[in-house]
Amino acid sequence: GAVVSQHPSWVICKSGTSVKIECRSLDFQATTMFWYRQFPKQSLMLMATSNEGSKATYEQGVEKDKFLINHASLTLSTLTVTSAHPEDSSFYICSARLVSTDTQYFGPGTRLTVL
Amino acid sequence: GENVEQHPSTLSVQEGDSAVIKCTYSDSASNYFPWYKQELGKGPQLIIDIRSNVGEKKDQRIAVTLNKTAKHFSLHITETQPEDSAVYFCAAIYNNAGNMLTFGGGTRLMVKP
Repeated sequence: GAVVSQHPSWVICKSGTSVKIECRSLDFQATTMFWYRQFPKQSLMLMATSNEGSKATYEQGVEKDKFLINHASLTLSTLTVTSAHPEDSSFYICSARLVSTDTQYFGPGTRLTVL
Repeated sequence: GENVEQHPSTLSVQEGDSAVIKCTYSDSASNYFPWYKQELGKGPQLIIDIRSNVGEKKDQRIAVTLNKTAKHFSLHITETQPEDSAVYFCAAIYNNAGNMLTFGGGTRLMVKP
């Protein structure tokens, strides 16, 4: 149980385009999901907290107009990287909080490469 | 806010030996401490966790110890195998603070066959 999926697993796009990444909790409902980015050989950096039915909370330094987050249902949160640039290339990982145990389960990650 | 430090950053052991990774945290209110294993190109996988009301937890070859007074917790892997090679992250959280995990910097464990 407690499986989180992400789609796509990898994406390559041209500079200036927008990319949407989906995060789904497959066998549980998640009122709270989190979005992280991870650069090579570094730890996970929290970008934002996504709450179902309300606006996301962004960490300091993360542009909310560039990284649009939508958490429209209890099993789905999306992250849209708008007008992507090469510096946005990274590994994006979501997690979902299982309320019953207060545990976070992570998705497999999405590798974004912006040319 | 919470600050978690993790040591060592890299650890190389021979197959069959034990591996120990240590983390310290700063916020005495933190009450939940998960450990994640991340293989190359994959998302972190929860391998064990401990809550502040216990001092030790074990799951087969993996154990975690917690010293609340000293504010540190450790991951112990016994009888290491090559498939244990990965990056391990510790984390700490105060469960009433919006459930934001604070991660350590990670430890790259290499198990030599």
